[in-house]
This record gives sequence, C-alpha cells and structure tokens, in this order.
Amino acid sequence: AQKVTQAQTEISVVEKEDVTLDCVYETRDTTYYLFWYKQPPSGELVFLIRRNSFDEQNEISGRYSWNFQKSTSSFNFTITASQVVDSAVYFCALIYNQGGKLIFGQGTELSVKP
Amino acid sequence: SAVISQKPSRDICQRGTSLTIQCQVDSQVTMMFWYRQQPGQSLTLIATANQGSEATYESGFVIDKFPISRPNLTFSTLTVSNMSPEDSSIYLCSVESEAGTEQFFGPGTRLTVL
Repeated sequence: AQKVTQAQTEISVVEKEDVTLDCVYETRDTTYYLFWYKQPPSGELVFLIRRNSFDEQNEISGRYSWNFQKSTSSFNFTITASQVVDSAVYFCALIYNQGGKLIFGQGTELSVKP
Repeated sequence: SAVISQKPSRDICQRGTSLTIQCQVDSQVTMMFWYRQQPGQSLTLIATANQGSEATYESGFVIDKFPISRPNLTFSTLTVSNMSPEDSSIYLCSVESEAGTEQFFGPGTRLTVL
C-alpha cells in the first residue's frame, strides 16, 4: 500500500527555535517522488520541494533543509531559526508513478510564537 | 511555474443545489487534478481530468456527484451536485509541470453548504 504518515499533528515553538517535521512513507515501488507543501491560513498550497527516489542527497534552501533516508523511509523537514511567518500546516506527499496522484500525509500544524 | 486561478474563491450554498468550480491555467497541460480538503483534514484526490477523455475517479467519488469537464488544455470545471453539509470543503485543482517535476495547486474554492 502507498501511504504517508506525519505523526506530529501539532507543533508549537518559539521564534528562532529549530523545528523538524517528520514524514514516513510506504510504497512498494522503487521509483517514486516525495514532496513537501506549505498551507498557510489563507489555504493556498505552496510547493516547497520534490525529491525522487534515486536522489538521497540532502537539500538546503535558506532556512529550510530536507533529510531523505531510504533506509528508514523518511523524508524529514527542518526549519532553522523559525519565524512567525512559518506558521502553517505542512504536508508531506508521495507519488509512486510520474503523472499519478499525490498521496498526502495528514499534515503537521506548526505554530511559531513570537 | 504554472499560474492557476479558480472561481469562485468561496461560496455559501443551500442544501440540494449544485455548484460549478472553474480552474484556469496559464499554460497548456495534459493532466489536471481535482482534490478535496475537508475541514481540518488532508487532501484527497477526487479525479484526474485529461483533455479529450472522460475523467478518472478515485474510489469513493462518482461522476454523478462530481461531474468534470475538460474542454481544452487550459481549463477544467468540477461540479458538486445535490450538495449536502458534508460537501463543505476546500476544492483545489492542480497541474503537473511540463517537466513533471512539480505539482502546482490553485488557490482553492472554499465551499460551505448550509
């Protein structure tokens, strides 16, 4: 079965703290793609990153970094020095064939307090 | 990146009526997707719409309830028929990038059914 699990329903941190959002996925396929999206209170989904199953290099983009580990089927997302504007619901998602549907995790609601 | 617009952005409807949601993309795309996000929940794919063919529906969604049109490569509509309060959700359309490396989402349509 194809599945994405985000065990953290809600996280609350104080501004400037680092925070890691966990994502564990399940798939039988050897070729798949993993995504992270941000959904601020406005409701729009903002694409953050896409990773394919053959690229295990970690990625850093400003304050954001992603750790992809096939051995543990995890694709975790870390925000360094969090800011109030980072407050949103973050979704991890999986596609197991290109052009197919996105399978979303349940989302993690991050609240960054000043 | 693709620019996607949706109309209406929000609506409040009466039980038993129908609402048609429009999705417009600023470039030609092969596949368009319609998702539903119920309050406080994750996103679930309703159907995949390819131009020139019937939409493909996911388990739990049927054409009579959610008819979809895809008249050309930049436009699609989703109708929510015979609405009930359980249909109150955000409905989002999405498209895949030309390179197949990203999926972009529209701003969503917030539907409330009374």
